[in-house]
Amino acid sequence: QKEVEQNSGPLSVPEGAIASLNCTYSDRGSQSFFWYRQYSGKSPELIMFIYSNGDKEDGRFTAQLNKASQYVSLLIRDSQPSDSATYLCAVFDQTGANNLFFGTGTRLTVIP
Amino acid sequence: NAGVTQTPKFQVLKTGQSMTLQCAQDMNHNSMYWYRQDPGMGLRLIYYSASEGTTDKGEVPNGYNVSRLNKREFSLRLESAAPSQTSVYFCASSDRDPAKQFFGPGTRLTVL
Repeated sequence: QKEVEQNSGPLSVPEGAIASLNCTYSDRGSQSFFWYRQYSGKSPELIMFIYSNGDKEDGRFTAQLNKASQYVSLLIRDSQPSDSATYLCAVFDQTGANNLFFGTGTRLTVIP
Repeated sequence: NAGVTQTPKFQVLKTGQSMTLQCAQDMNHNSMYWYRQDPGMGLRLIYYSASEGTTDKGEVPNGYNVSRLNKREFSLRLESAAPSQTSVYFCASSDRDPAKQFFGPGTRLTVL
């Protein structure tokens, strides 16, 4: 059983601030990590993925990976009210079922 | 290009009734998935199909059956619905990278 842990929140940040979302995972052998965004009542949407230790930037989003500490994080710079959503961390299991395991998600609210 | 479509959007069943949830994708993807999403539990994989003609169990397959009718369509059947199957069901598909999944809009199922 692969475990992916996230703080369920809610996390509230003011508009323009940096939102920091964290995720830890149990399987030290995991290699691929993903962030999905889910608006209320909608389906998940892939927004970032990271495979190597360090940072990966895409626009206002930065994914950070530390395999030694088994954590992944997502930073959202210049947060906007439209970023208010639940962010799901997912880890890909390459050794067994070849499937994604999702955390329960962190609900982010950006306050105008 | 509709992506992943699911029918119905909403359904209410009585305990013991059966029903089939339909999913179709028009992206020519090989792999398709069925998830359920429950509050506090996150997304959990029920069944998946890595390619046309194959299906495999995921994390929570009990009480469900699936059919990969062709490359486009993947259906989920509840033979005898139970209140524990009240959930939001998402279908997803992926191309070469099984971790980069595209989700349908979901079916909200209530079993009374």
